[in-house]
Amino acid sequence: EVQLAESGGGLVQPGRSLRLSCEASGFTFDDHAIHWVRQLPGKGLEWVSGISRNGATVGYADSAKGRFTISRDNAKKSVYLQMSSLRPEDTAFYYCAKAPGHDFWADWYFDVWGRGTLVTVSS
Amino acid sequence: QRVLTQAPSASASLGASVRLTCTLSTGHTSYAIAWHQQLPDKGPRFLMKLNGDGSHTRGDGIPDRFSGSSSGAERYLTISSVQSEDEADYYCQTWGTDTPNWVFGGGTKLTVL
Repeated sequence: EVQLAESGGGLVQPGRSLRLSCEASGFTFDDHAIHWVRQLPGKGLEWVSGISRNGATVGYADSAKGRFTISRDNAKKSVYLQMSSLRPEDTAFYYCAKAPGHDFWADWYFDVWGRGTLVTVSS
Repeated sequence: QRVLTQAPSASASLGASVRLTCTLSTGHTSYAIAWHQQLPDKGPRFLMKLNGDGSHTRGDGIPDRFSGSSSGAERYLTISSVQSEDEADYYCQTWGTDTPNWVFGGGTKLTVL
């Protein structure tokens, strides 16, 4: 079964850092880009960041640029989101999602989602 | 200008059909979209990819009660024989020409009566 499992969320103080992990199973991990999407409380979905299958290409939403870093370890079938200088407005569920094909920019939608991990930024 | 527009809410009676709409903005009217379902307190689930000509490809395990169609700038998700477990938020997704390149509509909350 194709699955993505996020971990690493929790309560963190403003200005601190947190690293989220996304572990994949059931598919050829290094054939696909992986993305992070977040959902603020009671709100819709917002793309945060994405990484190509070999890690050479990454992208960030304006809200994440300069503060978040995405990376991947294909040997561990995992993608990470290092978040620093966290703000209360970063409080959200964070989901990782798989792109269906092999082209980072051409794969514009996601065909597998994880269950999410909750990040709460509060003092 | 938002690339994708969805009505915030919709309702349908048990056993009836309902059509949800996702409208593409000017300059994006020929784009394909994807539909995703998010059940309460769950992660999203990919339902289908829907092309501008109305052809669509469902995700694995998605029942054929879920179908898609297109007309001009509008993309539709039709749920036939609505069931209580269809009560969820439904999001459309497409490609944006500016950052962010991966964009979502605001979502439609479907209530089953």
